Amino acid sequence: QVHLVQSGPEVKRPGASVKVSCKTSGYTFTTYYIHWVRQAPGQGLEWMGWINPNSGGTYYAQKFQGRVTMTRDTSISTAYMEVNRLRSDDMAIYYCASLNDYGDFDYWGQGTLVTVSS
Amino acid sequence: DIQMTQSPSTLSASVGDRVTITCRASQRITSWLAWYQQKPGKAPNLLIYKVSNLHTGVPIRFSGSGSGTEFTLTISSLQPEDFATYYCQYYNTYRTFGQGTKVEIK
Repeated sequence: QVHLVQSGPEVKRPGASVKVSCKTSGYTFTTYYIHWVRQAPGQGLEWMGWINPNSGGTYYAQKFQGRVTMTRDTSISTAYMEVNRLRSDDMAIYYCASLNDYGDFDYWGQGTLVTVSS
Repeated sequence: DIQMTQSPSTLSASVGDRVTITCRASQRITSWLAWYQQKPGKAPNLLIYKVSNLHTGVPIRFSGSGSGTEFTLTISSLQPEDFATYYCQYYNTYRTFGQGTKVEIK
């Protein structure tokens, strides 16, 4: 079975950085893009961007360009998402998801809570 | 970028009701439209992809339709486990979610 397992909850100060990992199993890691989506407390889903695990190419939502970096390590089938210069409004659950263009391959991690507090 | 607007934001219904949620795109889109269900504390679950294709394992009471700028998710007979929040999503090079529709118990 396909599994995406994310790293544990984080507590960070404003201005710090956080890096969330997403370890995949059960399929060929380089086949499908890894997307990152976040959800602030009580709010809706916000798409952040994707990484192509095969090439390392990335595409970020305009809102996150310059502050978010997505990377991957193909040797351990793991994707990473780093947010720099954290603000209070970055406090959210961050999800990774392995998705294909057609729409029928759709698997999500369990989510990682990032708390930003001074 | 394309924006997706869902209506209503909240919907109160009873078990057995037929429920319809609407998603409107800010411009005409092709068929890259999906619907997700999310329950509190859980990751979203895919229900429908490419407007009307039922994802594996999703009950047939869920259906999707639409074209152009207007799309709908219909639950033919609401079940207790269907009380949740539903999101539409446009997907192409980038992805955009609607703001969500919470289906509550009436």
